Amino acid sequence: DQQVKQNSPSLSVQEGRISILNCDYTNSMFDYFLWYKKYPAEGPTFLISISSIKDKNEDGRFTVFLNKSAKHLSLHIVPSQPGDSAVYFCAASEYYGQNFVFGPGTRLSVLP
Amino acid sequence: EAGVAQSPRYKIIEKRQSVAFWCNPISGHATLYWYQQILGQGPKLLIQFQNNGVVDDSQLPKDRFSAERLKGVDSTLKIQPAKLEDSAVYLCASSSQGTSYEQYFGPGTRLTVT
Repeated sequence: DQQVKQNSPSLSVQEGRISILNCDYTNSMFDYFLWYKKYPAEGPTFLISISSIKDKNEDGRFTVFLNKSAKHLSLHIVPSQPGDSAVYFCAASEYYGQNFVFGPGTRLSVLP
Repeated sequence: EAGVAQSPRYKIIEKRQSVAFWCNPISGHATLYWYQQILGQGPKLLIQFQNNGVVDDSQLPKDRFSAERLKGVDSTLKIQPAKLEDSAVYLCASSSQGTSYEQYFGPGTRLTVT
């Protein structure tokens, strides 16, 4: 039973345009969400997080939106750059800092 | 600041053999995590330590996997005996549990069981 889903295995976007990566979850008790980026042969790198008391968090080119009623969050990257090409993982936690559950990832390709 | 260190980076063993992985977290990080990432899937939490105590090991296959974190710093994860389905990347991560809970990951150990 997959509690965190990323239904798009891959996404291609032109450089300079917006990239939107989606994540859905089933556990209504999740209250803390994170996005990670992973390059080949490296460990995931933290990008941005959001707690359930917010619906938006922004950090530079990265913005995460949370819709608790729909159990959906999205990561927006604007503008997209070729260096953003990587696998992006959504993760959720029911207890702050514990029991993190990761989605299967979405591979983003930013085309020059 | 040095990152999370893991060794070895790659390991190939035959089924039924044993293997151990080592992790050195970022200095001062109280929380340490071990994840298993099978090809094409997201990381799956195996065990979480707070200092040298276990916070969560509900997904650790305890009949063959064991982990310890002596003195609340370095950690080792052992598999004995290994099965073919244990082939995966084993990731170690640490966090400081200060104002946020982002985890810092090491490069991982790629295990192949033949």
